[in-house]
Amino acid sequence: DTGVSQDPRHKITKRGQNVTFRCDPISEHNRLYWYRQTLGQGPEFLTYFQNEAQLEKSRLLSDRFSAERPKGSFSTLEIQRTEQGDSAMYLCASSPYRDYTDTQYFGPGTRLTVL
Amino acid sequence: AQSVTQPDIHITVSEGASLELRCNYSYGATPYLFWYVQSPGQGLQLLLKYFSGDTLVQGIKGFEAEFKRSQSSFNLRKPSVHWSDAAEYFCAVDLTGGGNKLTFGTGTQLKVEL
Repeated sequence: DTGVSQDPRHKITKRGQNVTFRCDPISEHNRLYWYRQTLGQGPEFLTYFQNEAQLEKSRLLSDRFSAERPKGSFSTLEIQRTEQGDSAMYLCASSPYRDYTDTQYFGPGTRLTVL
Repeated sequence: AQSVTQPDIHITVSEGASLELRCNYSYGATPYLFWYVQSPGQGLQLLLKYFSGDTLVQGIKGFEAEFKRSQSSFNLRKPSVHWSDAAEYFCAVDLTGGGNKLTFGTGTQLKVEL
């Protein structure tokens, strides 16, 4: 069990550029979640997948955001035409989801800075 | 609105002293409740969780939490704090009851004085 990994750990970009983050969940975890955490706040839910199906998206996930989990393993989160307000820590979590009591395990996050 | 409140933004305690971090939720039914800890550069780590049953829940690292339905609270406690406990603590709820998503409070930053 190597834990949830995220890449890159830090990303600095200029406003208007596109960025993509990757999340590798714990092996055989069928649920994968994305959260966003801004300074001084708790994480906010963005979206989650069960295997390759995206089951829910938050209203926070504007049209500029897209998430995929094509083979039910790793996931990518893309932000198009980044804005300064997108600066945040993007957290990924995974869960085996055998039932509702299963824990979400979080990765270390990708810190995005939009200049 | 359904929410989670952590009224203390910062708390400072001396090493060896007891600790209580407050968490209140606003929800019509009993949600599933969690406490996570976040250290710099580390991911969120689950300390403990409550779904039903015994209202006093034991977690890792010597932490415990008590669910009080009448007060809509789920406060985190530790009898003797260690310097390594300095971190940010988040209370979270699963309002859907399906393990779909967590709603977090704004966090409490704990500082431990030696």
